[in-house]
This record gives sequence, structure tokens and C-alpha cells, in this order.
Amino acid sequence: EAQVTQNPRYLITVTGKKLTVTCSQNMNHEYMSWYRQDPGLGLRQIYYSMNVEVTDKGDVPEGYKVSRKEKRNFPLILESPSPNQTSLYFCASSLPTSGGGRGQFFGPGTRLTVL
Amino acid sequence: SQQGEEDPQALSIQEGENATMNCSYKTSINNLQWYRQNSGRGLVHLILIRSNEREKHSGRLRVTLDTSKKSSSLLITASRAADTASYFCLPWGGGNKLTFGTGTQLKVEL
Repeated sequence: EAQVTQNPRYLITVTGKKLTVTCSQNMNHEYMSWYRQDPGLGLRQIYYSMNVEVTDKGDVPEGYKVSRKEKRNFPLILESPSPNQTSLYFCASSLPTSGGGRGQFFGPGTRLTVL
Repeated sequence: SQQGEEDPQALSIQEGENATMNCSYKTSINNLQWYRQNSGRGLVHLILIRSNEREKHSGRLRVTLDTSKKSSSLLITASRAADTASYFCLPWGGGNKLTFGTGTQLKVEL
């Protein structure tokens, strides 16, 4: 089954404790992306990747890091989480054609709470 | 990247009625996509309409695109309770940065 998986699905942590949210897709997609969703603000793109070792900032990259060492994986790293990073996070992937040109496949989401 | 603006922000209808939601954007596009999000879940791609298309159908969904007005509409016919969700448009004019709007929250009541 074609899918995007994220782990963990739920996470409660404390300020400053480094964490990683994993994202993996089994569709051989080149383009992968991270979003955060907050009430009243819609989905905002954090980082995206066009292919292995190619990443770039989205609209809200501050406080986040990503890496793309393998085509299927695109982890999101919060080196020193703060309460304003409490949010619902989504990973997505798609075929190329500059990323947005095809439909995005979304993961199930990770609900993160930073205390 | 450009962001679509969905209208209305919220819509409540009875089961069996049609639901229409609109999307406006600012600059020229190559295509426009519509997505659905059930509460707290990941978005699901519904339909993509290219800039040279005026109308597209998929099951009970009908999407129209008017590039002269920079707007699109999504019509869901004979709505069901299971259609209750948020709907987002994504106008794409090229580039790799993608920006979603805040969506239209549709509630279909029994």
C-alpha cells in the first residue's frame, strides 16, 4: 500500500529536549515536505526536499532542521524545542515536476506538545 | 509560492444538499489542486485542474477554474455526513515552496 508514515504520532516533551520526528514514504517520490498546522493559520511549510541531499526552507523554518540522506526518509529535527512549536505536524511526498505540480500524499500527522 | 484563499471559512448544510466552496488566488497558475482533511488527519488529494481546463469531474465532485477571475470552485453534490471535513485549495504556479490556506470547514448535518 502506498503510504507516508510518521513516528511518533503523539509526543509530549519538555522545553529544550532534542527530538526527531521520522517520516518515510514507499512510493519512490523525489519531493518531500514538512508542514505544521495551527488553528487559524492553516498549513505552513517548514522545509522541503527535492531529492537526496537537496533541502530548502519553507515559510517557517526557524527552530527546525531536516536531512535527506535516503530517498524514502525525511526526518524533522527540533534541537531545542520550545512551547511555540506545539503543533500538529504533517509530512508529505509527491512525484517531481517541481513538487507542487502533482498531488501531495500526506502522512497521518504527529501531534507535538512542548511543555 | 502563492496561497489560495478559501471562501466561505465555514459552511453548514443538510445531508443531500450541494456544497459549494470557492478559492481565489493572485498570480497565474499551472494548475490548482483541492484537498480534503478530516479532523486531525492528513490531507487527501481530491482533484487537480490544469490552467487550460475549465471544468473537471470526479464522482460527486465538480471543480471549475476561471483563470481570468483567478478563482476556482469546488462543488460537492448530494452531500453526505462523511463529507464533513475541511477543504483546501492549492494554486500552483511553479516553484517548490507550497502554501496552503486556512480552508473551508464543511459540516454536513443529518
